[in-house]
Amino acid sequence: DAKTTQPPSMDCAEGRAANLPCNHSTISGNEYVYWYRQIHSQGPQYIIHGLKNNETNEMASLIITEDRKSSTLILPHATLRDTAVYYCIVRVGGDTGRRALTFGSGTRLQVQP
Amino acid sequence: NAGVMQNPRHLVRRRGQEARLRCSPMKGHSHVYWYRQLPEEGLKFMVYLQKENIIDESGMPKERFSAEFPKEGPSILRIQQVVRGDSAAYFCASSPPISGGPSSYEQYFGPGTRLTVT
Repeated sequence: DAKTTQPPSMDCAEGRAANLPCNHSTISGNEYVYWYRQIHSQGPQYIIHGLKNNETNEMASLIITEDRKSSTLILPHATLRDTAVYYCIVRVGGDTGRRALTFGSGTRLQVQP
Repeated sequence: NAGVMQNPRHLVRRRGQEARLRCSPMKGHSHVYWYRQLPEEGLKFMVYLQKENIIDESGMPKERFSAEFPKEGPSILRIQQVVRGDSAAYFCASSPPISGGPSSYEQYFGPGTRLTVT
């Protein structure tokens, strides 16, 4: 799986959009970008994933650059409950994609009141 | 639809005792994963199982650790002769059977079991 690079920490004001970047310059054509988050002491929570098109669901939006070497997770209106560590994970699709998730250090997002 | 369930949520064992951690996957899910998170560290994969089969145990310590996912009942992670270094949060995740496309491979995590070895 491609290596990812994320900033170690970010702050965001409550009610504002939180934009979390991820670099994955070695991503290959059959690899997807997944985002998970871990709120303090809880199990990780799936947020969103994408291949090359931008994606949006009820939790967040995922913007993937045209060359796919980086992406941004957007939480449109951050709340205090969004304070968590956010993990960007790149992995292949298909049956091979069932392999374990490899969690890096992630970005610790602190939403400020 | 209940999520992934793990029990116990907290487990205290003395050095040398055995620890058994249980994981019930989401309804309809046939793939189970175990991860360990040491204090102040990231999550590390341990083992991936399907019903009655271990698919990938590359992250399991070679000794004292074992896992199973029987045809009936929960998946069990067993740690024999626990040591203080085994103190950690153990998370289980599950994913559904193959139905095509990457969406089938999201993993849904349970709340974890916090093991403390005294």
